[in-house]
Amino acid sequence: AQSVTQPDIHITVSEGASLELRCNYSYGATPYLFWYVQSPGQGLQLLLKYFSGDTLVQGIKGFEAEFKRSQSSFNLRKPSVHWSDAAEYFCAVIGSSNTGKLIFGQGTTLQVKP
Amino acid sequence: NAGVTQTPKFRVLKTGQSMTLLCAQDMNHEYMYWYRQDPGMGLRLIHYSVGEGTTAKGEVPDGYNVSRLKKQNFLLGLESAAPSQTSVYFCASSYGTTGGSAKNIQYFGAGTRLSVL
Repeated sequence: AQSVTQPDIHITVSEGASLELRCNYSYGATPYLFWYVQSPGQGLQLLLKYFSGDTLVQGIKGFEAEFKRSQSSFNLRKPSVHWSDAAEYFCAVIGSSNTGKLIFGQGTTLQVKP
Repeated sequence: NAGVTQTPKFRVLKTGQSMTLLCAQDMNHEYMYWYRQDPGMGLRLIHYSVGEGTTAKGEVPDGYNVSRLKKQNFLLGLESAAPSQTSVYFCASSYGTTGGSAKNIQYFGAGTRLSVL
């Protein structure tokens, strides 16, 4: 069955430190992958996406993610975290290319220490 | 450009009451989706629509009904609310297409926080 796993429920980093959020997927066909961010009380905003081509993709707010087919992973990274990055992050895969349905991971809550 | 608008933003219901959540999009998107978000479970798909007049079940459809009478609107109904339906509900929309394309990017509303007592 198709699934997305985010192993880390909560992560705390100091402001200015680097960040990596893990995402593993299970999908038989070519995966179309996304990272979304949700600030408290807000909807979901797309950070970046991977459909094909270069496996290192750049997104908004200084985020990037690397697709590794051999590891079934799509980890999100940022070189230097800002206090405003504190939010919940969701990894997702399109579960059906005909309907565009998204399968989400459980989410990772990022806390940033001053 | 409003994008995806959900109404209401908050609602408290008693067990057994009914209500309808409205989702409206102004991007001329074909596909629309309703998700629910619960702590530790991410977002789960309730129902979706791939065009005006069409609807289909998602992962957790029980206790919900939907209608897509107009392309820009997607309604989610609870006929007899239960405490298990306490959640945050998100609507999303996309142009929709097969394969990997920017047209498959889903745009989300701000959510409706529902409590069922």
